[in-house]
Amino acid sequence: ETGVTQSPTHLIKTRGQQVTLRCSSQSGHNTVSWYQQALGQGPQFIFQYYREEENGRGNFPPRFSGLQFPNYSSELNVNALELDDSALYLCASSSGTGGSNEQFFGPGTRLTVL
Amino acid sequence: DQQVKQNSPSLSVQEGRISILNCDYTNSMFDYFLWYKKYPAEGPTFLISISSIKDKNEDGRFTVFLNKSAKHLSLHIVPSQPGDSAVYFCAASESRNWGKLQFGAGTQVVVTP
Repeated sequence: ETGVTQSPTHLIKTRGQQVTLRCSSQSGHNTVSWYQQALGQGPQFIFQYYREEENGRGNFPPRFSGLQFPNYSSELNVNALELDDSALYLCASSSGTGGSNEQFFGPGTRLTVL
Repeated sequence: DQQVKQNSPSLSVQEGRISILNCDYTNSMFDYFLWYKKYPAEGPTFLISISSIKDKNEDGRFTVFLNKSAKHLSLHIVPSQPGDSAVYFCAASESRNWGKLQFGAGTQVVVTP
């Protein structure tokens, strides 16, 4: 059974650019949550997707958007990148009804904005 | 607004001794509390949880205690092993949806031989 995978592992962007991060959920999981972890902080909830629909959002501006595909993989898009967007982005997948079961995290994508 | 706080950024403990990690929260609507462990270059992994209707939950070497009136929980690891060296995050949820968690800043635990 393949776990949660994320791509790319690292990337560097400049301020104002746009970025797309990808997450493949664990087999059988229908829910994906995205988190941002700044240096020295805990993960902060961005949003969750359940069966291709957004199922809750944290305190992040609209330039953070997402998608979930029929195979339950997911993308996180960030427009108009700012320096403060530099962080580790984690996705987590789970089964059940909208995150009601244990979630499994991927290793994360390290984004650096210059 | 940090609703979950871990005030000790680091903890050093000898192998075989008890590790006690503390966590405070401010939101009285939190119903579930979880502890995650994170090694470098890996995602957090779930350790143990407790619902607000309980005051203790035990799983092997790990025990979580919840004091709702004080809005405080703690994780006890007994006995501590070198493989326990990692960052530990306390997290909380207002519902059974464990995909929408509020995390603390983490505590780095180092277990020395």
